[in-house]
Amino acid sequence: QVQLVQSGAEVKKPGASVKVSCKASGYTFTSYDINWVRQATGQGLEWMGWMNPNSGNTGYAQKFQGRVTMTRNTSISTAYMELSSLRSEDTAVYYCARGSSQWEPFDYWGQGTLVTVSS
Amino acid sequence: SYVLTQPPSVSVAPGKTARITCGGNNIGSKSVHWYQQKPGQAPVLVIYYDSDRPSGIPERFSGSNSGNTATLTISRVEAGDEADYYCQVWDSSSDPLRVFGGGTKLTVL
Repeated sequence: QVQLVQSGAEVKKPGASVKVSCKASGYTFTSYDINWVRQATGQGLEWMGWMNPNSGNTGYAQKFQGRVTMTRNTSISTAYMELSSLRSEDTAVYYCARGSSQWEPFDYWGQGTLVTVSS
Repeated sequence: SYVLTQPPSVSVAPGKTARITCGGNNIGSKSVHWYQQKPGQAPVLVIYYDSDRPSGIPERFSGSNSGNTATLTISRVEAGDEADYYCQVWDSSSDPLRVFGGGTKLTVL
């Protein structure tokens, strides 16, 4: 069965970077885009960007341009999202989600990774 | 950027029908996806391409989309349907490309 398993919770200081992983199984990793969506406590869902694991091509929401980097390691079917220059407003649960192309729905989601930014 | 507007909350008695709306400029020309999120859990896709149901989603869940409003309808509501629901579209001319509505909390009375 399709699974996306994310890395564990992180606590970071303001100004630091965080790198969250998302390990895919149960399907061909390079056949589907990986998207990243975050959710602050008590708030709604916010799309951050996408990555094509086959080509490595990426697209980021303008809000995160310059601070986010999405990469992958196809040999271990794992996608990564790195967010730099962290501030308290970045405290949120970060999800990876599978989508086969831009207009397709997110049919499978990771369990989420809580990133806390605190001094 | 493209904006999707949902009511913050909808309440319904068990066994009745709940309708959750998602408003957007000419949203009828776009494909709308709906997600259900229960507390402490990741979202789950319940409707895609306006009205299609993934396998495993009860037939009680249905969707429609026309004009400036998309609607998620849940018939014969059960206690287990209580959750947050989010609509989502893709807009090639928008930033961000993928847009979520603000979410609707469905309360089963």
